[in-house]
Amino acid sequence: DQQVKQNSPSLSVQEGRISILNCDYTNSMFDYFLWYKKYPAEGPTFLISISSIKDKNEDGRFTVFLNKSAKHLSLHIVPSQPGDSAVYFCAASELNNNDMRFGAGTRLTVKP
Amino acid sequence: NAGVTQTPKFQVLKTGQSMTLQCAQDMNHEYMSWYRQDPGMGLRLIHYSVGAGITDQGEVPNGYNVSRSTTEDFPLRLLSAAPSQTSVYFCASRKGVMNTEAFFGQGTRLTVV
Repeated sequence: DQQVKQNSPSLSVQEGRISILNCDYTNSMFDYFLWYKKYPAEGPTFLISISSIKDKNEDGRFTVFLNKSAKHLSLHIVPSQPGDSAVYFCAASELNNNDMRFGAGTRLTVKP
Repeated sequence: NAGVTQTPKFQVLKTGQSMTLQCAQDMNHEYMSWYRQDPGMGLRLIHYSVGAGITDQGEVPNGYNVSRSTTEDFPLRLLSAAPSQTSVYFCASRKGVMNTEAFFGQGTRLTVV
């Protein structure tokens, strides 16, 4: 029962262009969403988050959009850089719930 | 600032052997957890702890035990290793439960033959 889904296993974009990574969820009780970035042989590192009371959160080149009615969130990276090449995981949790659910990840490749 | 430290980084076990994966954090975080990462499945929660002396099961707890005797340490024990436990294991800590991000260790790649 995968409650958080990332349907694109991989994405390739040109340096300087926008990268858009998508995530869908099925549990309507989720109210906190996060994106993590993972390089090979390292643990995931936190990138950006959004609470369900917002529909957008921005941090430098990274913006997360949340569409609660569609149960969909996306991560925009503008402009994309080669150093952004990594696996990106979407995660979600309910308020006061210890169980954070992760998607399967999307491998982003940014070509110079 | 070490953050979350996991040992060992790599381990090969024979079926039926037992072992303990170590995890320590120096951020005074109350909440710690163990995940496993398998291809195409993301990270799945095995066990978690909201503080010293308190542990609970996650999504995939079977075959694993945990204990939390101190705030800093949260070891994961495999009682009798099985090939299905071949995976990459990540330990994580969080400052609290409410809307906080998790900090992850570098992972332990475990192979059970």
